[in-house]
Amino acid sequence: DAGITQSPRHKVTETGTPVTLRCHQTENHRYMYWYRQDPGHGLRLIHYSYGVKDTDKGEVSDGYSVSRSKTEDFLLTLESATSSQTSVYFCAIRDGTSRETQYFGPGTRLLVL
Amino acid sequence: GDSVTQMEGPVTLSEEAFLTINCTYTATGYPSLFWYVQYPGEGLQLLLKATKADDKGSNKGFEATYRKETTSFHLEKGSVQVSDSAVYFCALASGQFYFGTGTSLTVIP
Repeated sequence: DAGITQSPRHKVTETGTPVTLRCHQTENHRYMYWYRQDPGHGLRLIHYSYGVKDTDKGEVSDGYSVSRSKTEDFLLTLESATSSQTSVYFCAIRDGTSRETQYFGPGTRLLVL
Repeated sequence: GDSVTQMEGPVTLSEEAFLTINCTYTATGYPSLFWYVQYPGEGLQLLLKATKADDKGSNKGFEATYRKETTSFHLEKGSVQVSDSAVYFCALASGQFYFGTGTSLTVIP
């Protein structure tokens, strides 16, 4: 258990509203990631962080922003949600002691109407 | 760029059957390779991994061998159980993580 929680676990929102998802870790890992999971696509990287205030874009970053003001929290924000952002969102941490292994949170299921 | 290609599903097997899920990769360096499992409504769990050529990862009766000559990391289990029903993801780590699209396995009694 890598001590990763995500909140909320489920959310329904309307098109055009802002949404923030939270990932919290308890083990002080430096690297944190946000992925989305969609049928037929596996997991795709949205953004990642390599330290407090240090973030970078992934494969599908358009429409998303992130922030990391402290080691334990990594926030994903949809500035203006669209139906194409309906997905399951997973947070992950990288365990620096075990050759790049990533450990995943339980996921947030987001429905944008 | 680096990528992972895995066998498409869904796969349906009877209990105690032999399982193989194929995974091949493309990478310019020397990646680490992983298999993750996802049970319904849950996140991905690390099943096994291998960090260099000829390494064999194993866990819960599942095995996969890192084959550099064939750029493969096929997942095998000798006798599947109903509780193995899940989606299996092959992944590659070479700086970034690259996932396959997942293979759904259903095991029927």
